[in-house]
Amino acid sequence: AQSVTQLGSHVSVSEGALVLLRCNYSSSVPPYLFWYVQYPNQGLQLLLKYTSAATLVKGINGFEAEFKKSETSFHLTKPSAHMSDAAEYFCAVSDSNYQLIWGAGTKLIIKP
Amino acid sequence: NAGVMQNPRHLVRRRGQEARLRCSPVKGHSHVYWYRQLPEEGLKFMVYLQKENIIDESGMPKERFSAEFPKEGPSILRIQQVVRGDSAAYFCASSPPGQGNTEAFFGQGTRLTVV
Repeated sequence: AQSVTQLGSHVSVSEGALVLLRCNYSSSVPPYLFWYVQYPNQGLQLLLKYTSAATLVKGINGFEAEFKKSETSFHLTKPSAHMSDAAEYFCAVSDSNYQLIWGAGTKLIIKP
Repeated sequence: NAGVMQNPRHLVRRRGQEARLRCSPVKGHSHVYWYRQLPEEGLKFMVYLQKENIIDESGMPKERFSAEFPKEGPSILRIQQVVRGDSAAYFCASSPPGQGNTEAFFGQGTRLTVV
């Protein structure tokens, strides 16, 4: 069975600092991997996705993620944090062409 | 160019009442997915529907929960005789035929509170 582990339920960074949100997955087949962002009381917005093309995936709002098969990781990064990045971030893996398996989420806190 | 529309955004029900959650997919999308998000947890898959068909309901609780996606109108997630443990955010997503989750768009969710 597939699973997703997000390390750290809360991550705090200073404005302008590097953002690194960790995601590790387990999958018996080549996975599709996703990062979504959820702002307070809002829906889920797709940040980026990996679908077996380039291993470095660029998304919206300056975020990117790198698929590392050897490490079974898909960590999300952004070079310089902005106050508007404060939100909850979810990593998800696909075990089929429709069902997503989700991590528990990481709340990103930006310190002024 | 409306996205996935869910209503109501917030729903309060007393224990034992029925909750009906509605989801209108993106125009042209024929696939709908429902997910539940419990507090402090990630989303859990509930059901996958196509027009007039339930494709996969493996994530649905065996009792009290049902879902439909009729030929006309929105998809409905129905919870009968709600209990406090049903309090959660329920998200709907839709996708066009053949795209599955690689092109799924999510609604803003319905936050159900059972009192």
